[in-house]
Amino acid sequence: DQQVKQNSPSLSVQEGRISILNCDYTNSMFDYFLWYKKYPAEGPTFLISISSIKDKNEDGRFTVFLNKSAKHLSLHIVPSQPGDSAVYFCAGTSGTYKYIFGTGTRLKVLA
Amino acid sequence: ETGVTQSPTHLIKTRGQQVTLRCSSQSGHNTVSWYQQALGQGPQFIFQYYREEENGRGNFPPRFSGLQFPNYSSELNVNALELDDSALYLCASTSTQGDEQFFGPGTRLTVL
Repeated sequence: DQQVKQNSPSLSVQEGRISILNCDYTNSMFDYFLWYKKYPAEGPTFLISISSIKDKNEDGRFTVFLNKSAKHLSLHIVPSQPGDSAVYFCAGTSGTYKYIFGTGTRLKVLA
Repeated sequence: ETGVTQSPTHLIKTRGQQVTLRCSSQSGHNTVSWYQQALGQGPQFIFQYYREEENGRGNFPPRFSGLQFPNYSSELNVNALELDDSALYLCASTSTQGDEQFFGPGTRLTVL
């Protein structure tokens, strides 16, 4: 039972354009969501998070949107840069310890 | 501020052997979680340790066990290794103040 799904294994975007990465979840008990970025041979790096009481959170070029009724969240990166090329994981949690991750989306930003 | 470190970086074992992986948490963090990331998958939660006690466990058999030490560093032990245990093992630490987990670079375990 995959509680967090990232249905797009890969995404290519031109430098300077918007990247939109999507994530769906099934567990209505999740109250906190996070996005992590992972480069090869490194561990995941925390990017941005959102509480279920919000529908939007911004941090610089990164914005996460949460649609609880649709059980959907998305990560927007504007403008996209070549250094953003990485695998992006979304995760949900209903507590402070057990993160449930999606399978990741590989983003490639073309110069 | 020192980040999360893990050792060794890579490890090759044969089926049936036992392995111990190590993790030092980020300074000020007293909670450590372990995850297994198989190829093409997202990290899967194994268990978490808080103040030297197991504080939650994922869907992994008892041959996966752990320890946390008074300095908050941690070990993951896997007995009777199976081929499917080949994966990247990630350690993450967090403080009680915040929810975000900070990950180490991982240990790549190959079971032959």
